[in-house]
Amino acid sequence: QKEVEQDPGPLSVPEGAIVSLNCTYSNSAFQYFMWYRQYSRKGPELLMYTYSSGNKEDGRFTAQVDKSSKYISLFIRDSQPSDSATYLCVMSDRGSTLGRLYFGRGTQLTVWP
Amino acid sequence: DVKVTQSSRYLVKRTGEKVFLECVQDMDHENMFWYRQDPGLGLRLIYFSYDVKMKEKGDIPEGYSVSREKKERFSLILESASTNQTSMYLCASRAGHRWEGGITDTQYFGPGTRLTVL
Repeated sequence: QKEVEQDPGPLSVPEGAIVSLNCTYSNSAFQYFMWYRQYSRKGPELLMYTYSSGNKEDGRFTAQVDKSSKYISLFIRDSQPSDSATYLCVMSDRGSTLGRLYFGRGTQLTVWP
Repeated sequence: DVKVTQSSRYLVKRTGEKVFLECVQDMDHENMFWYRQDPGLGLRLIYFSYDVKMKEKGDIPEGYSVSREKKERFSLILESASTNQTSMYLCASRAGHRWEGGITDTQYFGPGTRLTVL
């Protein structure tokens, strides 16, 4: 079993929809949880990061972590065509060798006008 | 802003050729990483480097080697390219990111090199 599981989609929604992206993980040592966004033919870029359980909001984006269920989510409100990208959930335990990251496979999102 | 650059965006090579992929970062980061990204498999770690002349194998090092002679530059070498090494190659540089929860690790990625081996 891969340590980080993520539904690859693809996910296609109309502009203005609320999008929910999710990941599960198996390693209880994971403490830092990140979402990266990757546009087509570009490298991934950090979108949001959270520590332990709870919510974090940044504009239209909300990251949610439930460590008891080993489940993390990214919500996008009022989605825009410019949000069309692949979203990667990423985790770190900080106890591993110098901040190695563990990646989900990515969910491809398309927001159509 | 952190900038990570990769020497080529697109590269086409023949089976058996020696291939060099170059990565440069301008933020004096000690740690650098090479990944490959394939559809359905996501990002997989090939090699990483703690510091100059230091290197560690990732999950899929077979068929690859690396070189870190200068802090800002991390090179990935395919000693004898094969068709199964056709992929997108991504370089990343790591910074410790201070925030209210402590310090977490953020990796900054380059734009990627799409390598095709014929």
